[in-house]
Order: sequence, then C-alpha cells, then structure tokens
Amino acid sequence: RKEVEQDPGPFNVPEGATVAFNCTYSNSASQSFFWYRQDCRKEPKLLMSVYSSGNEDGRFTAQLNRASQYISLLIRDSKLSDSATYLCVVNGGNQGGKLIFGQGTELSVKP
Amino acid sequence: GAVVSQHPSWVICKSGTSVKIECRSLDFQATTMFWYRQFPKQSLMLMATSNEGSKATYEQGVEKDKFLINHASLTLSTLTVTSAHPEDSSFYICSATRTSLDEQFFGPGTRLTVL
Repeated sequence: RKEVEQDPGPFNVPEGATVAFNCTYSNSASQSFFWYRQDCRKEPKLLMSVYSSGNEDGRFTAQLNRASQYISLLIRDSKLSDSATYLCVVNGGNQGGKLIFGQGTELSVKP
Repeated sequence: GAVVSQHPSWVICKSGTSVKIECRSLDFQATTMFWYRQFPKQSLMLMATSNEGSKATYEQGVEKDKFLINHASLTLSTLTVTSAHPEDSSFYICSATRTSLDEQFFGPGTRLTVL
C-alpha cells in the first residue's frame, strides 16, 4: 500500500466547476499535512497546509480527518489558471522533516 | 518568502560522465536540505536528507556511491550523479529548511538528460 494515495486523474472540468480531490495516508504518526500544486516541468509550490479544524483560502478549502486518515481539497469556481497537478503531501511522522508525496492528481480546466 | 536556487536548470550529458547539481538557499540558512527525483508522470521521490556538516541519509534503494551529496555550508548542498546513465535522466529537485521540522522551500529543479 502506498504511504499517500490520491484519486487517479486526470480531472477535466469546465470553468466555474467545483472539483474535489481526495487523499488517504497510511502513517498514523504523521503530524503535518499539505496540498502542493505543481505546474508542468516546474517545482511544487505550497498551496496550503491542512489542519484538523479545516481551513479555507479563497476558493480553496482543505479538510483533514485524522480518524480516517483522509485529506481533501475542494476548489470552487475553478479557473483556467487552476490547471495543474495537485499533490497531497504528508510528513513522515517520526522521521523528522521527511515529506511523503502522493502521486498527484492532474486537473485540467477548460473554457 | 525564502528563496532556493538550483544550478544548472537543465543539463544534457553523455553516458558515463558525472554531473554536479547545486542547491542554494539565498536568503536564509538551511540546516537541512532534501534531494528529490521525479520521473515523468510520477510524484517526487525523496532520495536523501542532508544536514549541514554531516553525512547525508539516503532512502532505501538510492545508491550513496552513485549520488554523492555534500552539504558543506548552511547555504549550499550539492548532488553529484556519478557515471550517469540514461536511466538517471530525471527531474532533480532540492528543498531547504531552516530546521528539519520547518516548511520546505523548493528549488526550481534541474532537468538531467543522459544520452
């Protein structure tokens, strides 16, 4: 079983759509959770950290369920510029700052 | 925010040559740097964790004699791919943190193509 698993993509949606990404992780000792965005042939960029209480940043909402070891990202009113690969990232629990990356879910927003 | 640079941004080399990639933290001191590799359509895979002044810790399956990592100062880590072969062609990305538990700041990556 992969340490971090994401929805297989790609997701093809029209502008304005709401899209949800799901992620599960296997290490119950993980303490930090993130969503990164990666554009083609570029480095990943931090989109948002994910907290147990849930957090929102504009059109983006992230949720964490520790009991189910499940993380989600919701994008509302999607824009063409949201097209990218979204990476679910979890820290390695007792392994210091080590980050474990999911395989990514590709999003393509069409006009 | 913190800035991390990598050099070169891309390199093409012949099989059997060695390639050195530099990772620099430009505006902060990085006690820990991480080296990742990403093959097409795959996610980032951690290769090794590098702490300033000590030997790097390699992930399982990563050959330490093939991927030499040096973290000689708080702002510079280097990855040398020795005797590169076509299967080493990949996107190599470094990240740097102030402390091992701090947010990681990623470099722009180095695309290596071995002919």
